[in-house]
Amino acid sequence: NAGVTQTPKFQVLKTGQSMTLQCAQDMNHEYMSWYRQDPGMGLRLIHYSVGAGITDQGEVPNGYNVSRSTTEDFPLRLLSAAPSQTSVYFCASSYSRTGNTEAFFGQGTRLTVV
Amino acid sequence: EDQVTQSPEALRLQEGESSSLNCSYTVSGLRGLFWYRQDPGKGPEFLFTLYSAGEEKEKERLKATLTKKESFLHITAPKPEDSATYLCAVQDNGGGYQKVTFGIGTKLQVIP
Repeated sequence: NAGVTQTPKFQVLKTGQSMTLQCAQDMNHEYMSWYRQDPGMGLRLIHYSVGAGITDQGEVPNGYNVSRSTTEDFPLRLLSAAPSQTSVYFCASSYSRTGNTEAFFGQGTRLTVV
Repeated sequence: EDQVTQSPEALRLQEGESSSLNCSYTVSGLRGLFWYRQDPGKGPEFLFTLYSAGEEKEKERLKATLTKKESFLHITAPKPEDSATYLCAVQDNGGGYQKVTFGIGTKLQVIP
């Protein structure tokens, strides 16, 4: 049972480049979410999904897109990378559609935009 | 706006020296309060969920309690392996989305 798997673990992008951060879970969880973690700030919600085909914006959605075509996968797309998007990104899943149960987090993707 | 404030920001304990971490929160209605542990370079690891004032949960040397305004994570006789950053988070039962608000965390160091 792999849990939540994120790829890649590290990435360096140039300003203006686009990329997709991958997230997959094998626990059949309904709720999936993306967070970013910056020094001196708590984890902040970017986007979330309560099931396949359903996504919604979180606290800091600008510059990011998501889709949820299957229960297992929830990729995060950076449309045109900016230095302000340098951060550590975490994907999480939980079995409750309301997200108020324990969340399982991936290992994170450390992204640097130069 | 939901707020979570954790104190202290950092805590250094001798092995066996019990202490408590505080999480003060402001929400319009609490759907759940969560405690996570985060090791360097890793994702947060779930510890507890508390849903209503008066609720308590325990796991090994950790005990979480909840009031209407704050939660405490009590650490009894800590060991060096308890060193980590402890995160508190709350979920509001109102608002336009399923938002979970995280605190910055308390970085705990347990010295042998």
